[in-house]
Amino acid sequence: DVKVTQSSRYLVKRTGEKVFLECVQDMDHENMFWYRQDPGLGLRLIYFSYDVKMKEKGDIPEGYSVSREKKERFSLILESASTNQTSMYLCASSLGMSNEKLFFGSGTQLSVL
Amino acid sequence: GEDVEQSLFLSVREGDSSVINCTYTDSSSTYLYWYKQEPGAGLQLLTYIFSNMDMKQDQRLTVLLNKKDKHLSLRIADTQTGDSAIYFCAEMYSSASKIIFGSGTRLSIRP
Repeated sequence: DVKVTQSSRYLVKRTGEKVFLECVQDMDHENMFWYRQDPGLGLRLIYFSYDVKMKEKGDIPEGYSVSREKKERFSLILESASTNQTSMYLCASSLGMSNEKLFFGSGTQLSVL
Repeated sequence: GEDVEQSLFLSVREGDSSVINCTYTDSSSTYLYWYKQEPGAGLQLLTYIFSNMDMKQDQRLTVLLNKKDKHLSLRIADTQTGDSAIYFCAEMYSSASKIIFGSGTRLSIRP
């Protein structure tokens, strides 16, 4: 089975801190994604990557950046955390073929105080 | 624009059928998906349907697709307490090769 691992289940940070959220997948998937999940809003795509060192903006990239130095690892960076970035962050990966079945990690609940 | 809509809550009695509905806007979608999220977990793919199909059945799950009305539904037969979760409808937006999710429907089961 595909395993997508997010390094932290819960994180508490202060406003202005730089925050790193890490995600690792073990099935050699080409594509990786970062979503945030907020009640009543569903999942919104922040950034995605189709290959190493490649990144594409999703629907809400403002305030975030990403890094993909190795195929299996995709990092989400909050350069200067703000309270409106308090959310559940979900990482996902997919094989990269036409049927994009996503495999999700269990999520990181980030609270910015 | 891109949009996937579903109601936020559904409550059913244990043993009854649950029907979760979804509408979408992209008429050129290639795949439509149902994901399940249990408490404290990420999303798990339940089932999916290719856009040239009308129906797909998998054990207790039945997916119906009405392309004319851009309407997708998920029926869960003999609903059990373990079916309590949030169910997300999603479409593969063909023009951009990305997946758009609905807001999720929270299914609760009453005895």
